[in-house]
This record gives sequence, C-alpha cells and structure tokens, in this order.
Amino acid sequence: DAGVIQSPRHEVTEMGQEVTLRCKPISGHDYLFWYRQTMMRGLELLIYFNNNVPIDDSGMPEDRFSAKMPNASFSTLKIQPSEPRDSAVYFCASSFRYEQFFGPGTRLTVL
Amino acid sequence: KQEVTQIPAALSVPEGENLVLNCSFTDSAIYNLQWFRQDPGKGLTSLLLIQSSQREQTSGRLNASLDKSSGRSTLYIAASQPGDSATYLCAVKDNYGQNFVFGPGTRLSVLP
Repeated sequence: DAGVIQSPRHEVTEMGQEVTLRCKPISGHDYLFWYRQTMMRGLELLIYFNNNVPIDDSGMPEDRFSAKMPNASFSTLKIQPSEPRDSAVYFCASSFRYEQFFGPGTRLTVL
Repeated sequence: KQEVTQIPAALSVPEGENLVLNCSFTDSAIYNLQWFRQDPGKGLTSLLLIQSSQREQTSGRLNASLDKSSGRSTLYIAASQPGDSATYLCAVKDNYGQNFVFGPGTRLSVLP
C-alpha cells in the first residue's frame, strides 16, 4: 500500500481565497482524521470520520473550515475564505483498530 | 480534559548512548498510547503502539513502557545513532471515542 496520500504538498495562496486539501486514506481503514500542526499549538485534531461519517468536528476552528468524505477513499478539507492565521501544516491520518498512520502533510501558507 | 506533556523538550546526546524520553498524561482512562517519530518537514511515522492492558512493547532498539496508574510512558532508545535524530511524539487515545491527544514532542539530536 502507498500509505496515506495527501495533495497538494505545498500550497501558497492569498488571504480570502478558497483552499482545498485532499486526502486518500489507506485502503481498508475505517477512520480518517484531519490534524493541523503549528509551532505555537502543536498537533491539533480538527475532525474525524468513521466509515465516511463525520463523528467529531469540535476541533474545527470556525465555520470557514469544512470537511467532507464522499467515499471510503477520498476526503477534503476546505478553508473559505482563508486567512494568514490558517498557515500551518495539515495532516491527514487513517486508522484501523486504533493505530494511526499519517500522510506527509500539506504545508499551507496564506499571504 | 486529557493533557499530555513530554519531558525534555529537547535532548542532545553523543552517538552510542542509551536514552529515555518521557510522556505524561493526566487522565489514566486511556485505551492505548502510541509513539511517533517526525523528521523535519515530514509526516509522523508510527513507532510503537501500547494497549492499555500492556506494560511494554519492543521494536528493535526501541522499547516503550506504560504505567497507566501513574500516567506515564517512557520510550527507551538503545545505542543511539545519528539517524535517530528527529522529534518524538506520544499520543494517547481515551476510552470515549477516537480522540487522540498529542504531546508537544521531544526534539532529539544524536551527535556523531
């Protein structure tokens, strides 16, 4: 298996623009997680899905953030409109039986 | 609310030394604890997973222990190598859902 795949790896955008991050989990995994990592706050869980259904989105910072999982092999995290404080590395992870496997991350810079 | 801390924040050792990294958590009602390694600019790589019923897990030169009652886990690295240089994070999963809480990490430098 190729592991968790994320795209793009780097994204630079201007404040106010819409940003869409993509994730393909490991085949057969039934949980998918979105995290954000910054120097100040470390690694924070934003939202997670079980069998494509959002279970806990309490970590989503505000309504500008949304996430979807239309099928077992694809998820998106969307920020609209983006702000400079959204600059961070966003990780997707998937798990089966509670061991998490992380993707390489998307480094987002909002100017 | 579960809180996870890691001490020290940074550690520098000469090659060949054995070392211990510490992870503490405030709520002992955990389901499991996972240790990760993160290289600069990379994602997290799973090293060891310890279930709440286990006391330790070993993989090669790595040994992780878990003491739920005291809210502690340690990661022991034997005969450290420069390639072990990375940030090591621990994460605990509670009994109530799929919420994983991460520690801030320990940045390890192994000097040749």
